[in-house]
Amino acid sequence: QSALTQPPSASGSPGQSVAISCTGTSSDVGGYNLVSWYQHHPGKAPKLMIYEVTKRPSGVPDRFSGSKSGNTASLTVSGLQAEDEADYYCSSYTGNNTVIFGGGTKLTVL
Amino acid sequence: EVQLVESGGGSVQPGGSLRLSCAASGFTFSSYWMHWVRQAPGKGLVWISRIKYDGSKIEYADSVKGRFTVSRDNAKNTLYLQMNSLGVEDTAVYYCARDLWSAGDLWGQGTLVTVSS
Repeated sequence: QSALTQPPSASGSPGQSVAISCTGTSSDVGGYNLVSWYQHHPGKAPKLMIYEVTKRPSGVPDRFSGSKSGNTASLTVSGLQAEDEADYYCSSYTGNNTVIFGGGTKLTVL
Repeated sequence: EVQLVESGGGSVQPGGSLRLSCAASGFTFSSYWMHWVRQAPGKGLVWISRIKYDGSKIEYADSVKGRFTVSRDNAKNTLYLQMNSLGVEDTAVYYCARDLWSAGDLWGQGTLVTVSS
């Protein structure tokens, strides 16, 4: 199964908002409300930012929000800060207890 | 402290085997599904496997099916990944993660596996 499709890069200036898309199919993103988003700084453990499409784990700033429409999910980062610069990955449940990740998006804060 | 700690990584020749461990602490390990995820150098995260809290259900990505085996010992709070018939394409940092509605809400720091002759 092919990875979910994410743009390779995204950028924004401090204080701005940026949205990262994650496109799958009706067998994964579109079929379940089980899309997650991770922030990954190189050399560190990935950090869960959003799960079940829109939910934020405790401690994640409300500047991070998730949404979904059809087969495409999105992560929006509002009020960009320098520390938001990282790689971001989406993932989705695909049925039969399996999971698929997106290819990742490198977010640059200009 | 709530944490996951992977170990067992290292260098191995093509065709060789390696067993990774993931030690859990600070939470009730036996209540959680667990994942293995890997990241090859310069590449993205790739899901490998998911195991039910009691070990009764295990699923694998096609890329490792038949070569990798996931197990767990809830008495030792430890998750395992047995990797056989390793190829250069298996070179990666391997992470274990605790499951939260198919997401990974707690991750280890990862352990590096290098397959090279």
